[in-house]
Amino acid sequence: AQTVTQSQPEMSVQEAETVTLSCTYDTSESNYYLFWYKQPPSGQMILVIRQEAYKQQNATENRFSVNFQKAAKSFSLKISDSQLGDTAMYFCALEQWNTGNQFYFGTGTSLTVIP
Amino acid sequence: DSGVTQTPKHLITATGQRVTLRCSPRSGDLSVYWYQQSLDQGLQFLIQYYNGEERAKGNILERFSAQQFPDLHSELNLSSLELGDSALYFCASSGSGGADEQFFGPGTRLTVL
Repeated sequence: AQTVTQSQPEMSVQEAETVTLSCTYDTSESNYYLFWYKQPPSGQMILVIRQEAYKQQNATENRFSVNFQKAAKSFSLKISDSQLGDTAMYFCALEQWNTGNQFYFGTGTSLTVIP
Repeated sequence: DSGVTQTPKHLITATGQRVTLRCSPRSGDLSVYWYQQSLDQGLQFLIQYYNGEERAKGNILERFSAQQFPDLHSELNLSSLELGDSALYFCASSGSGGADEQFFGPGTRLTVL
């Protein structure tokens, strides 16, 4: 079975500091993608970053970067220089496409950036 | 604005009723996905359509059905509604049927009384 686990229901960070959100996943497929989505209070789901499993290099998007450990099936998100606008729910997601495009989401981590 | 539109924004109905949620994907996107987000079950993938054909199925109940029309808009039909069906229903679209970024719509908030 494919599962995505986010073990930190809530986190907080001081503005301008760095925070890391954890995610582990389980899959028997060799081809998959991993994503972090952000859901601010408005409710909109916004893609933050994605990682192709076949790429060893960790993805980076401005202040957001991931630590992808394929053997450990770990995919953590690092947010540098945290901003108030980063306050949101963050979801880790796994996509597989060998059997159609199946998506699996974690339960989310609620991040609060403190001024 | 993701370019994905969903109607209606809010829907309030009674148990046992049937409702239809509508989604228009981004221009040019062929793939449409439906998700249910509830407090107790998180974000659940329901179903995916690609260019009018069902591509993948997730945790979709038999009381729920979906389709994608030739103009690529999609509808999610929910019947024999129960209190537990109250949730935020998202539609997302992507350009291809392969691994690709999904763009989410604003969601439809369904409340079953």
